[in-house]
Amino acid sequence: EDQVTQSPEALRLQEGESSSLNCSYTVSGLRGLFWYRQDPGKGPEFLFTLYSAGEEKEKERLKATLTKKESFLHITAPKPEDSATYLCAAGRGTGANNLFFGTGTRLTVIP
Amino acid sequence: DTAVSQTPKYLVTQMGNDKSIKCEQNLGHDTMYWYKQDSKKFLKIMFSYNNKELIINETVPNRFSPKSPDKAHLNLHINSLELGDSAVYFCASRMGADTQYFGPGTRLTVL
Repeated sequence: EDQVTQSPEALRLQEGESSSLNCSYTVSGLRGLFWYRQDPGKGPEFLFTLYSAGEEKEKERLKATLTKKESFLHITAPKPEDSATYLCAAGRGTGANNLFFGTGTRLTVIP
Repeated sequence: DTAVSQTPKYLVTQMGNDKSIKCEQNLGHDTMYWYKQDSKKFLKIMFSYNNKELIINETVPNRFSPKSPDKAHLNLHINSLELGDSAVYFCASRMGADTQYFGPGTRLTVL
């Protein structure tokens, strides 16, 4: 059975305190690993797609990495505006048409 | 310009009623989706349409019926609403094997 597990469920960081979020997956026929950011009351906003083990992508203070079993979202020197829920999703099916989401990590960055 | 829009944003209704949620995308995408996000923030795919053709239909009660009048619209009609249908419903769209872009969500509350 396909599974996507994110940890921790919630994370509180001081501004500037770097950390990592974990996404472990067991998905047959993986077609990409996706990271989204979701702010309260809004829809998920796309961040990254990773397709193969060893791949890395960066955007501002965020860097996503992928292994054969998990993905990490590294946050370097976070700011309060980075506070959000971060969702990872495994792409399944032709062209990763079917996204299978984890339950997210709720990040709070304290000034 | 709004890329993926949904109406209404909030919907409060009584058990047993029938209601519809509308979704429109102005991105020229060929695939549209409906997702349900429950109270624990778990986001699960319900349906996917490609060029007005249903291609994904997850295990969803047949009280839920999607309708795609054209490539830019995907509406969700729900019959005989139940308490357990209370959730946030998100529409999404994408072009080919590209990224999925999400709408702002519709919060449905069934009393």
